[in-house]
Amino acid sequence: EIVLTQSPDFQSVTPKERVTFTCRASQSIGSRLHWYQQKPDQSPKLLIKYASQSLSGVPSRFSGSGSGTDFTLTINGLEAEDAATYYCHQSSSLPFTFGPGTKVDIK
Amino acid sequence: QVQLVESGGGLVKPGGSLRLSCAASGFTFSDYYMTWIRQAPGKGLEWLSYISSGSYYTNYADSVKARFTISRDNANNSLYLQMNSLRVEDTAVYYCARQDYMDVWGKGTTVTVSS
Repeated sequence: EIVLTQSPDFQSVTPKERVTFTCRASQSIGSRLHWYQQKPDQSPKLLIKYASQSLSGVPSRFSGSGSGTDFTLTINGLEAEDAATYYCHQSSSLPFTFGPGTKVDIK
Repeated sequence: QVQLVESGGGLVKPGGSLRLSCAASGFTFSDYYMTWIRQAPGKGLEWLSYISSGSYYTNYADSVKARFTISRDNANNSLYLQMNSLRVEDTAVYYCARQDYMDVWGKGTTVTVSS
């Protein structure tokens, strides 16, 4: 089973700041890494698919990069509504797995 | 619009069974792989199971293998999760989602396993 490790566990951020989260896979997963945002009491929402592909309806301040084992999600100009937990997920090798999440708090 | 709606959750005793359903609408259900995910109270997301568009292929997390069974009815645009031998640690919100990269999620149904 591929283990995904996310860092940091928690981040307190000021609005308009640039924020970067990382996700590391225990073995190469190519670009089959996806990012989700989950706000309290809501279902998760897909933000980025296949490491760097943006999605219609997702604000352009969200971007992803990486391949192989190391991946990054960046929020350029954090907004108050971005307070949430962010999860990475790999669909390269079954069973698919999620990272433990990074919780973002707004200062 | 594209929508997934889970149902079937509830309170069940340890060792009991429950069948969850996921009703799909707004897209051609038979074209897509489907996935079940769960989230225990205050915890992260856990991938559970996956079924191919024609039901030919399924896969499970080790934590539910041999206890849970995923299935689908393409004629009725429905996905199912049969859960047997339930344990206290199966208590969670259960979500269905579309595709391996989960671009559409339902709102979830809550399963509580307690004596």
